[in-house]
Amino acid sequence: DTEVTQTPKHLVMGMTNKKSLKCEQHMGHRAMYWYKQKAKKPPELMFVYSYEKLSINESVPSRFSPECPNSSLLNLHLHALQPEDSALYLCASSQRTAADTQYFGPGTRLTVL
Amino acid sequence: AQSVTQLGSHVSVSEGALVLLRCNYSSSVPPYLFWYVQYPNQGLQLLLKYTTGATLVKGINGFEAEFKKSETSFHLTKPSAHMSDAAEYFCAVTLPGRGSTLGRLYFGRGTQLTVWP
Repeated sequence: DTEVTQTPKHLVMGMTNKKSLKCEQHMGHRAMYWYKQKAKKPPELMFVYSYEKLSINESVPSRFSPECPNSSLLNLHLHALQPEDSALYLCASSQRTAADTQYFGPGTRLTVL
Repeated sequence: AQSVTQLGSHVSVSEGALVLLRCNYSSSVPPYLFWYVQYPNQGLQLLLKYTTGATLVKGINGFEAEFKKSETSFHLTKPSAHMSDAAEYFCAVTLPGRGSTLGRLYFGRGTQLTVWP
């Protein structure tokens, strides 16, 4: 099984709302990633977790708060977002070496009103 | 610094024609190289990758790519395009070794492939 699941598929939220995106994998991968993708652009790395510890934070605004409760789950908590944060948010996971493939989930399409 | 250049943001071919999507990289050390495909409103799916060994790599859906170190290229080809190949294609590199770059994929800007009937 090489599946990464993400919920919800679509999310519409106001600028004062608090919401969370969820990502799950059962491949035993120890690295998990959040990406943001705008239309017609490549994914932009936001966060990397390695063995449940945050290892890379690409200077993402604090209104995005990642959490890795265990080795299979990755959350992205959202608060006070801006309309420009509307995008496709992709989760990925991989084994812990650079040569390993990153497996991507289908993404959450986020719209901030 | 690492960078990936995909020549041509849009490529159009007729069904049955050769597909050639170009990717050049710049890296301080020999990188690992990947091609991903993305269909509308979906995540990225790995087509193929090169890490070590044979420089001609075969992937899914009839695609292949050749790593040419002297040209710093990793072009993606398919002998005969199918309508279902229409999608966005991303070339990406990552670095071997440890440190802060471990796990970081550097993407090209993408190439939109259109296949005409």
